[in-house]
Amino acid sequence: NAGVTQTPKFRVLKTGQSMTLLCAQDMNHEYMYWYRQDPGMGLRLIHYSVGEGTTAKGEVPDGYNVSRLKKQNFLLGLESAAPSQTSVYFCASSYSVGGVNGEQFFGPGTRLTVL
Amino acid sequence: DQQVKQNSPSLSVQEGRISILNCDYTNSMFDYFLWYKKYPAEGPTFLISISSIKDKNEDGRFTVFLNKSAKHLSLHIVPSQPGDSAVYFCAAGSGNQFYFGTGTSLTVIP
Repeated sequence: NAGVTQTPKFRVLKTGQSMTLLCAQDMNHEYMYWYRQDPGMGLRLIHYSVGEGTTAKGEVPDGYNVSRLKKQNFLLGLESAAPSQTSVYFCASSYSVGGVNGEQFFGPGTRLTVL
Repeated sequence: DQQVKQNSPSLSVQEGRISILNCDYTNSMFDYFLWYKKYPAEGPTFLISISSIKDKNEDGRFTVFLNKSAKHLSLHIVPSQPGDSAVYFCAAGSGNQFYFGTGTSLTVIP
């Protein structure tokens, strides 16, 4: 089992460019999440999905879009990147609402820099 | 405004002693609380959790205490080991959304 994987691991963008971050999980989890981690801010929820074909906004959704076309994949898109989106992005998945005992399984993260 | 706060950015403890990490939350509707551990360049990994119907949960060297009236939870690690050195995040929430604290960096000194 690979668990939760994220692609790419690192990326540098120029302001205004677009990109898609891919998250994949092989645990057959229903729920998937995208977080960003910034210094002094902890992890903040961007968007989440409670099942294939569904998405919902989290705490900081502006400037991002997501899609969940397949159960195992959750894509995070930046249509026009801004320097404020420089961050480390984590994907997570879980069995159900909060997972078994609330546990979310996290990927290794994607470090994105927007110049 | 942060709904979950970890007011100590760092903590140093001698090996074998107790480590106590603290976390405060503001929303009385939160009914599930978790602690995650994070090493550099890795994603967080689940450590221990507690629901609002309990005030204590133990798992080996790790114990989480919940004080609902004070909206406070703490993680006790006894005895602390050098491998416990990491950043610890508390998280609280209900339903689909969990809010994370800013983390406490624990260093266990051999």
